[in-house]
Amino acid sequence: GESVGLHLPTLSVQEGDNSIINCAYSNSASDYFIWYKQESGKGPQFIIDIRSNMDKRQGQRVTVLLNKTVKHLSLQIAATQPGDSAVYFCAENSRGGYQKVTFGTGTKLQVIP
Amino acid sequence: DSGVTQTPKHLITATGQRVTLRCSPRSGDLSVYWYQQSLDQGLQFLIQYYNGEERAKGNILERFSAQQFPDLHSELNLSSLELGDSALYFCASSEGQVGSPLHFGNGTRLTVT
Repeated sequence: GESVGLHLPTLSVQEGDNSIINCAYSNSASDYFIWYKQESGKGPQFIIDIRSNMDKRQGQRVTVLLNKTVKHLSLQIAATQPGDSAVYFCAENSRGGYQKVTFGTGTKLQVIP
Repeated sequence: DSGVTQTPKHLITATGQRVTLRCSPRSGDLSVYWYQQSLDQGLQFLIQYYNGEERAKGNILERFSAQQFPDLHSELNLSSLELGDSALYFCASSEGQVGSPLHFGNGTRLTVT
């Protein structure tokens, strides 16, 4: 069956360093991928997305890389700040005429001041 | 603010009881999703509606049901509650097409005692 999984449950990063959060997916029919950030006590918040016809997309301090060959997705956060501390989820959106979004288990990012 | 409103924020009830969670989607969004998040767990997809019609079902128990009304708000009904149903329940909305991001509410925290 399809699944979206994350390599590391917790990532600790020094403030100012770059963070890389990885995600593996298994559904080759997925054509749209999204990263969400969930802060304590809040709902997930959209960060950045990428379509399957792209391999890189940049936002403000964030970059998403997609490697369809190995079904791998990563989120890079530049100059990590304390406010980046949260749980990060990758999600995949598969084809099928409607929008079915499957979430991975999440990676907790801890920023060390 | 995502524009998605969930009520109530907190709910404490006893086993065997029935509760209704309410969600008002973001203005203009036709699709509503329900997710369950247990402690330190990922987001488990329950069910999706698009413009009043059920579009997809995930791991939703038979004791749970949902509907989307003509004004597009949605309700998730949980009955014969068990201790294991204690969780955060999130509602999200989107335009409904592949490639449109989900916007999440801040969830309803259900505690079953």
